[in-house]
Amino acid sequence: KAGVTQTPRYLIKTRGQQVTLSCSPISGHRSVSWYQQTPGQGLQFLFEYFSETQRNKGNFPGRFSGRQFSNSRSEMNVSTLELGDSALYLCASSTTGTGTYEQYFGPGTRLTVT
Amino acid sequence: DQQVKQNSPSLSVQEGRISILNCDYTNSMFDYFLWYKKYPAEGPTFLISISSIKDKNEDGRFTVFLNKSAKHLSLHIVPSQPGDSAVYFCAASDSGGYQKVTFGTGTKLQVIP
Repeated sequence: KAGVTQTPRYLIKTRGQQVTLSCSPISGHRSVSWYQQTPGQGLQFLFEYFSETQRNKGNFPGRFSGRQFSNSRSEMNVSTLELGDSALYLCASSTTGTGTYEQYFGPGTRLTVT
Repeated sequence: DQQVKQNSPSLSVQEGRISILNCDYTNSMFDYFLWYKKYPAEGPTFLISISSIKDKNEDGRFTVFLNKSAKHLSLHIVPSQPGDSAVYFCAASDSGGYQKVTFGTGTKLQVIP
């Protein structure tokens, strides 16, 4: 079974631009979560989608948004990029998405904002 | 407010010895805990988990201990191997609903051959 894939793997953007990241979960997984990883901060939860509905959201500004499609693929969008948005963005999928089930992570998208 | 804390950013252990990684949490609603391992340029991979109804869970060389009264958990790796060198993340969640998973900041383990 193929793992979680994320595209693109690397991205360089300029401050003020917007960016869209894509995630394809493991086949059969209906929950997709997004995390931001920065040095010293660990993994910060952004949001979680299940069957096209956002069920949980972390403490990030409204510039961060996402969506999930009927095939469970998910996209994350960041508008008006700031230098502090430079980070590794990780997508994770799981079967039902409750906290008791382990998540399967993709390799991440490394975003650099200049 | 960091609800899951891993106070040791790094740890070095000799091959064959025991590695002990620690994690503290503050949210008393957390009742399910997980450990993930992360190699460079890869996403985290699930290692082991424990429910709050238990105080210990074993899987091969990996054992997780949970002390609910102290809000503390630890991951023991015995014996440690060079391939265990990675960043280890502790994570916690409230299983009562569709709760988000809260991760710690990670501990970088180096196992010295």
